[in-house]
Amino acid sequence: KQEVTQIPAALSVPEGENLVLNCSFTDSAIYNLQWFRQDPGKGLTSLLLIQSSQREQTSGRLNASLDKSSGRSTLYIAASQPGDSATYLCAVCTGTASKLTFGTGTRLQVTL
Amino acid sequence: GAGVSQSPRYKVAKRGQDVALRCDPISGHVSLFWYQQALGQGPEFLTYFQNEAQLDKSGLPSDRFFAERPEGSVSTLKIQRTQQEDSAVYLCASSLARTSETYSGNTIYFGEGSWLTVV
Repeated sequence: KQEVTQIPAALSVPEGENLVLNCSFTDSAIYNLQWFRQDPGKGLTSLLLIQSSQREQTSGRLNASLDKSSGRSTLYIAASQPGDSATYLCAVCTGTASKLTFGTGTRLQVTL
Repeated sequence: GAGVSQSPRYKVAKRGQDVALRCDPISGHVSLFWYQQALGQGPEFLTYFQNEAQLDKSGLPSDRFFAERPEGSVSTLKIQRTQQEDSAVYLCASSLARTSETYSGNTIYFGEGSWLTVV
């Protein structure tokens, strides 16, 4: 059974700092990995999707990497802003292509 | 509407009561998913529809949970004889593509969820 772990569970950083969120998964036979953002009381917003054949994806200040063989992904956020405060969820797609397996998330707070 | 719409947003049910949660996906979206998110946890897959066909219901936790999408658009998740452990946020998501295409990179859009509290 695929298991996804995210470290740290919570993180507080001052504005402007660069930061890294970590995700690990137990079954390396994945189709892809996605990073989502969830604001309190809201649904999920897809940030980046990395195919199993890819090593990284970038969108603005966000960069996600994937090392499938070691079962790890990182989400790098450059020059963090208070508006980046949210919970960040990692999810992998394995086996039957219809479902995502999510981690428990990293709750990020960016302070002024 | 512009996004995935779910109703009701908040529901308080007495234990043993039946509830129905509605999802209006983005118009034209083929794939529809239901996820359950307990407090402080990541979402967990419940079921998947491709148009009106329920292709995967492996995540439904018990036979008290039932989902349908009879005309390939609006979907309803029904929970019979609710229990306290059913308290969670129920998230609906949709995607334009079939799953094999979805997971090649098409975007999946989530609704804001239906918050169910069973007392």
